[in-house]
Amino acid sequence: QVTLKESGPVLVKPTETLTLTCTVSGFSLSNAGMGVSWIRQPPGKALEWLAHIFSDDEKSYSTSLKRRLTISKDTSKSQVVLTMTNMDPVDTGTYYCARILVNSALDFWGQGTLVTVSP
Amino acid sequence: QSALTQPASVSGFPGQSITISCAGTSSDVGSYNLVSWYQQHPGKAPKLIIYEVSKRPSGVSNRFSGSQSGNTASLTISGLQAEDEADYYCCSYAGSGTYVFGTGTKVTVL
Repeated sequence: QVTLKESGPVLVKPTETLTLTCTVSGFSLSNAGMGVSWIRQPPGKALEWLAHIFSDDEKSYSTSLKRRLTISKDTSKSQVVLTMTNMDPVDTGTYYCARILVNSALDFWGQGTLVTVSP
Repeated sequence: QSALTQPASVSGFPGQSITISCAGTSSDVGSYNLVSWYQQHPGKAPKLIIYEVSKRPSGVSNRFSGSQSGNTASLTISGLQAEDEADYYCCSYAGSGTYVFGTGTKVTVL
């Protein structure tokens, strides 16, 4: 079955760079028409789409966060990595990765990982 | 890229039908038939319940239905049940490979 699991630091300091890893199983990152998205959710607030990467290595980023985000994948390891630079306390929240289907939706989600930005 | 607008809360009695709106623009909802809806229970990850405006994934109750008119999409929950109490989010493709979520709606079963 399809599963995704996020991993990364629980706590980061302001101005540091956050690196999150999404490890997938049940599908391959080389499968045509599939990709992985990152979404975040501040405590008590709405979901925010951040970025995605598809099997052909096509990448897209949130317009407002584009300068701070980098997404990449290692197909052999079944992993997608998201880096976010210059972290700020407002970036505190739960970060999710999800499988995205081309021209469709986010059909499977990871459990999420809570990241706190604090000195 | 502004968030899609949803009502903050909607409530209903068991067995009733409720509808959640998701207002976008001609740059997102109105341009693509790529609206999806997600259900999120407290402390849990979101779950896909509607994709491509009105399609239901396998295993999702047929009490959930989606539609779209112009720049506004809607999710209807019929035969409201206690287990439907959750937060609901719409999401739309917004062009150039980007996506935008809605502001979220808390559904309360009275």
